[in-house]
Amino acid sequence: SQQGEEDPQALSIQEGENATMNCSYKTSINNLQWYRQNSGRGLVHLILIRSNEREKHSGRLRVTLDTSKKSSSLLITASRAADTASYFCATAPYSGNTPLVFGKGTRLSVIA
Amino acid sequence: GAGVSQSPSNKVTEKGKDVELRCDPISGHTALYWYRQSLGQGLEFLIYFQGNSAPDKSGLPSDRFSAERTGGSVSTLTIQRTQQEDSAVYLCASSSSYFRDTEAFFGQGTRLTVV
Repeated sequence: SQQGEEDPQALSIQEGENATMNCSYKTSINNLQWYRQNSGRGLVHLILIRSNEREKHSGRLRVTLDTSKKSSSLLITASRAADTASYFCATAPYSGNTPLVFGKGTRLSVIA
Repeated sequence: GAGVSQSPSNKVTEKGKDVELRCDPISGHTALYWYRQSLGQGLEFLIYFQGNSAPDKSGLPSDRFSAERTGGSVSTLTIQRTQQEDSAVYLCASSSSYFRDTEAFFGQGTRLTVV
């Protein structure tokens, strides 16, 4: 079953603008991760935020986590055409055998 | 190796035939995972391995699907009597320890088309 649900499903912005994607989940988590996928093939890990963290930065990426609302957001600042891709959040459940559970992703298009 | 390697990158097969997909994880990674992604969809978890053992096989869609891992390294995912609904990209990932605490490294996937 899919736990992470991204919002919006698709986002189109101009180069230089900021892009914000949201993720909601349902059960307790150990951590939440964001991945990027180009052209429907391999995923690349972007950032991991643990359940006891509220915000994390990596270059132009900023991730927040609100465990009380079971939600996370990914902000990409000063977007570039090369940021065009699908972005997935993945939750690592606190218990059980299932590893990362992925949502359906947000398709980001950055127009030059 | 330098990254997770999957083969073949593309596979077209006739309905009813068996297919075998291969994943070569990053050297030293103990955990290995298989996911499936249908067009425009998220990733569907299939199975994972810790070493050579698979603690949970409940994600496999049907008994036509099986997977094994030998020597704590290469894994194969076998689909018997393929059906058109099996068409998807099959992604393999590995990590140095169980997913929960570390990032996963993905291969480029095998695009399976059943005609």
